[in-house]
Amino acid sequence: KAGVTQTPRYLIKTRGQQVTLSCSPISGHRSVSWYQQTPGQGLQFLFEYFSETQRNKGNFPGRFSGRQFSNSRSEMNVSTLELGDSALYLCASSFGQGPYNEQFFGPGTRLTVL
Amino acid sequence: QKEVEQNSGPLSVPEGAIASLNCTYSDRVSQSFFWYRQYSGKSPELIMSIYSNGDKEDGRFTAQLNKASQYVSLLIRDSQPSDSATYLCAVNDGGGGADGLTFGKGTHLIIQP
Repeated sequence: KAGVTQTPRYLIKTRGQQVTLSCSPISGHRSVSWYQQTPGQGLQFLFEYFSETQRNKGNFPGRFSGRQFSNSRSEMNVSTLELGDSALYLCASSFGQGPYNEQFFGPGTRLTVL
Repeated sequence: QKEVEQNSGPLSVPEGAIASLNCTYSDRVSQSFFWYRQYSGKSPELIMSIYSNGDKEDGRFTAQLNKASQYVSLLIRDSQPSDSATYLCAVNDGGGGADGLTFGKGTHLIIQP
């Protein structure tokens, strides 16, 4: 079974631009969560989508948004990029929603903001 | 604010020995606990999940959970150089998964040949 895929793998943007990242979950998985990983803050939860609805959201500004499509694929968007948005953005999929669903991570998208 | 604490290391263990990784969490209502392994430059890989007090074994790995002490650990038996990585402890509070997974900063494990 194919794992979680994320595109693009690497991205370089300048301040003020916007970016869209894509995630395809494991086949059959309906929940997609997004995380940001930086050396200073570690892994931090951004948001979770299940059945095309945002179920949970972490403590990030409104510049960070996402959506999920009927095939469970998900996208996240960051508008008005700041230097501090440089990070590894990870998508994780799970079969269902709730605390007992194991989450499996994709390879991540490395975003650099100049 | 929910916190997950891990010793950052590095934790150096000789090959063939038992590596013991520890994690404490602040939210008493946490319901599920996960250990991930992350190699440098790679994404986290799920090793084990544990939901009930006690031990759970999977091959060379044993996860231990003590909810009263708010403590979860991971034991790696017969450590191999390929086990050298950062190990991340993650906790889900169970409030409908309200805040997703809360991760510790990770413990850097080095297995010395």
